[in-house]
Amino acid sequence: GAVVSQHPSWVICKSGTSVKIECRSLDFQATTMFWYRQFPKQSLMLMATSNEGSKATYEQGVEKDKFLINHASLTLSTLTVTSAHPEDSSFYICSAREVGGGQGGSYEQYFGPGTRLTVT
Amino acid sequence: GQSLEQPSEVTAVEGAIVQINCTYQTSGFYGLSWYQQHDGGAPTFLSYNALDGLEETGRFSSFLSRSDSYGYLLLQELQMKDSASYFCAVSAQTFKAAGNKLTFGGGTRVLVKP
Repeated sequence: GAVVSQHPSWVICKSGTSVKIECRSLDFQATTMFWYRQFPKQSLMLMATSNEGSKATYEQGVEKDKFLINHASLTLSTLTVTSAHPEDSSFYICSAREVGGGQGGSYEQYFGPGTRLTVT
Repeated sequence: GQSLEQPSEVTAVEGAIVQINCTYQTSGFYGLSWYQQHDGGAPTFLSYNALDGLEETGRFSSFLSRSDSYGYLLLQELQMKDSASYFCAVSAQTFKAAGNKLTFGGGTRVLVKP
């Protein structure tokens, strides 16, 4: 089945530093990857849509200069949290959709295991 | 915009049946998905409805009524391992470059007791 990995699985960093999170589709190609943020006991909030070879599309209220997304290949997207602050501490999850899904677009997104970021 | 409502928590005993309702208001609708998430884990896909009616997959079934903007997930023969959060999510196709984005409901925490 389709597998999405994330690295690292958890990270602790100091306030003001930057952290890069990788999302990889291991056995399929993904033109589109999505980045979500989830606070404890809350829902997944879509941050941005990452498109291979083009700029990411950010959701309203998400700072594009703070959350840098790069989708350099069909199997890799990265999210960099720049100048992280304690309020950025959260569970970051990526998902990916396979190229050329079914008619009308594949409905299934495959989720990575998530990255827990703690900013001290 | 999109908004989805589902109950925050449901408690049931092993072997019971639980129905999790989801009502949605969307500016565009392509389908309703259900995901399961155990604490600390990633969401895993359970089911998807694009058309009205019931979809059955083992112990789990999902129903959609597009005219009522309503769907539900039915969990049968509950097991302890079913204790998790369950999210409904709407696919609202916007434009091709963005693909089919998912908007998630707040999640329903299901607690299965012995």
